[in-house]
Amino acid sequence: AQSVTQLGSHVSVSEGALVLLRCNYSSSVPPYLFWYVQYPNQGLQLLLKYTSAATLVKGINGFEAEFKKSETSFHLTKPSAHMSDAAEYFCAVKKSSGDKLTFGTGTRLAVRP
Amino acid sequence: GAGVSQTPSNKVTEKGKYVELRCDPISGHTALYWYRQSLGQGPEFLIYFQGTGAADDSGLPNDRFFAVRPEGSVSTLKIQRTERGDSAVYLCASSRGGSQETQYFGPGTRLLVL
Repeated sequence: AQSVTQLGSHVSVSEGALVLLRCNYSSSVPPYLFWYVQYPNQGLQLLLKYTSAATLVKGINGFEAEFKKSETSFHLTKPSAHMSDAAEYFCAVKKSSGDKLTFGTGTRLAVRP
Repeated sequence: GAGVSQTPSNKVTEKGKYVELRCDPISGHTALYWYRQSLGQGPEFLIYFQGTGAADDSGLPNDRFFAVRPEGSVSTLKIQRTERGDSAVYLCASSRGGSQETQYFGPGTRLLVL
């Protein structure tokens, strides 16, 4: 079975600082990995996904993530935080042959002025 | 349509009542998913449709939960004899089908069982 662990339920950074949100996965088969963002009272929006092409994936709004098989990680980064980045971020995993997403418990990002 | 839509956006009901939650997927998307998100948690899978049939219903918690998609487009999630523990946000997503395809989520229905 697939699972995802997101370390840190709350992360706070200053505007302009590096954003690093951690995600580790476990999967018995090669996985597909996703990061979604959820703004208050809105649905989930895809930031980026890894589907076994390039290990460094660039997404929307300046975010990127690197798939590291040796570390079973898929951490999300952004060089410089904006106030508008404040939201909840979810990492999710899916079997390459499957369809349902398994989500982590989420990380709430706060950006201080 | 432009995106996945869900109705109602909010539903308050009493314990023991029956509720229906509706999902309109993106036009042309053959795959449709239901997830449930409890407070402070990530979404949890409930059921997946490919066309009209339920390809995977392993996430439905018990037989009080049922979902249909009779014409391969709109789907309805039905909950019988609601319990307070059913209170959550119910999310619907759709995709073109295929494991690499992105799932696009609707805004959810917030269900509160009193």
